[in-house]
Amino acid sequence: ETGVTQTPRHLVMGMTNKKSLKCEQHLGHNAMYWYKQSAKKPLELMFVYNFKEQTENNSVPSRFSPECPNSSHLFLHLHTLQPEDSALYLCASSRSGADGELFFGEGSRLTVL
Amino acid sequence: GEDVEQSLFLSVREGDSSVINCTYTDSSSTYLYWYKQEPGAGLQLLTYIFSNMDMKQDQRLTVLLNKKDKHLSLRIADTQTGDSAIYFCAEDNYGQNFVFGPGTRLSVLP
Repeated sequence: ETGVTQTPRHLVMGMTNKKSLKCEQHLGHNAMYWYKQSAKKPLELMFVYNFKEQTENNSVPSRFSPECPNSSHLFLHLHTLQPEDSALYLCASSRSGADGELFFGEGSRLTVL
Repeated sequence: GEDVEQSLFLSVREGDSSVINCTYTDSSSTYLYWYKQEPGAGLQLLTYIFSNMDMKQDQRLTVLLNKKDKHLSLRIADTQTGDSAIYFCAEDNYGQNFVFGPGTRLSVLP
C-alpha cells in the first residue's frame, strides 16, 4: 500500500469509446504524474502537475486528456484511442522540489480493441 | 537529453547474489533510485542513494555509486524466488526530472 490508488485496475475499451482513469493520493503531495509503460519500452512520462498546474506535457497525443481538479486527484480522460495505446498507465505522486521520491500506484492496465 | 541504460535480463540461482547494473548520463543527478515492479503491480521504491554517497546498505540490498563513471549497481544478497521482478534504475535532479531505465528482468531459478 503506497498511498496512491488507481482505478480501474483493468480496462478494455473500443476505439470509439470514451473512458477515464482515476488516481488519488492521500500523502499530502503536491506533484502528480502520469506514466505509460508499454511492453519492451522504457517507462514514459506523459504529464506532470505541480500544485494543480500542468508543468509538463511530454508530446502526448490529444486523445489523452489529463485533469487535476485538486492536489489529491488526477484523471486521464481517454477518447478515440488506438490499439497501440494499450499499456499499463501508472500514476505517481511526490513532494515538489528536493527529495522528490516518487510513490506509484498499482497501475491501470488498458487494452484497446 | 538524459539517458539511463540497463541490461534487460538477468538470471541467477536461488541463494546466489544478483548484481544489476545501470549507467546514466546526467552529471547533475541528485538522487539515484532503484524501483521494483512485481508482475501485475506498480513500481515500488526499493532504495535510493544521494549523489554524494558511494555506498548504501539496507539488509540484503547494497547500492554502489561510481559518480565518476556514472555507474550505479544494486546487489541483492541471498536472492530468493520472491525477488523475481523487473528492477528499474532512475535518476532525478531535485525531483524535477525523473528519468527511468528500461528495467532489468530478474529471474531467480530454483
